[in-house]
Amino acid sequence: KNEVEQSPQNLTAQEGEFITINCSYSVGISALHWLQQHPGGGIVSLFMLSSGKKKHGRLIATINIQEKHSSLHITASHPRDSAVYICAVGQGAQKLVFGQGTRLTINP
Amino acid sequence: DTEVTQTPKHLVMGMTNKKSLKCEQHMGHRAMYWYKQKAKKPPELMFVYSYEKLSINESVPSRFSPECPNSSLLNLHLHALQPEDSALYLCASSQVMPGGETQYFGPGTRLLVL
Repeated sequence: KNEVEQSPQNLTAQEGEFITINCSYSVGISALHWLQQHPGGGIVSLFMLSSGKKKHGRLIATINIQEKHSSLHITASHPRDSAVYICAVGQGAQKLVFGQGTRLTINP
Repeated sequence: DTEVTQTPKHLVMGMTNKKSLKCEQHMGHRAMYWYKQKAKKPPELMFVYSYEKLSINESVPSRFSPECPNSSLLNLHLHALQPEDSALYLCASSQVMPGGETQYFGPGTRLLVL
């Protein structure tokens, strides 16, 4: 069993839909990260959180430390949101353990 | 400047070649990372440098040799690679904080070993 599990692995939705991607982890963490990777490779860090909730534009990330669970929400989804979303947990100051990623496709 | 740059973008090399990947950042970050990513898989950590010293080596084969000549530069020297080493090599940097910090990733070098 992976230390970081994401669901779903693949998600296809229509433009405008509310999107939720889930991440569960089984290890102690210093922080949890949500990353976005577009085709072509570049990775962008979306959020780093250790408690509660963070919001940036149409993106919202939440974490429940007791339940070892985090969610990434996208409101009013758009085709440009199509990407792979990766959950990663920090172990210590510098090591990240990655989930397998969720491939999101938003159709116009 | 909030950018991590990597050169080259693409590299094709034979199994007997020696080549180097280069990564640069000017954000004052004192931690720098090399990751390897195979298609449709998450990145795998290879090396971490903290204050120009190697702090994490994830049991990477010796045909990969990292070097951190100064706080802005990170190199990955490649020698006698195998075809299975073909992958996207990502560099990242971050501040050094006890609880971890946001990592900034470069665009990657796509490596093909023939």
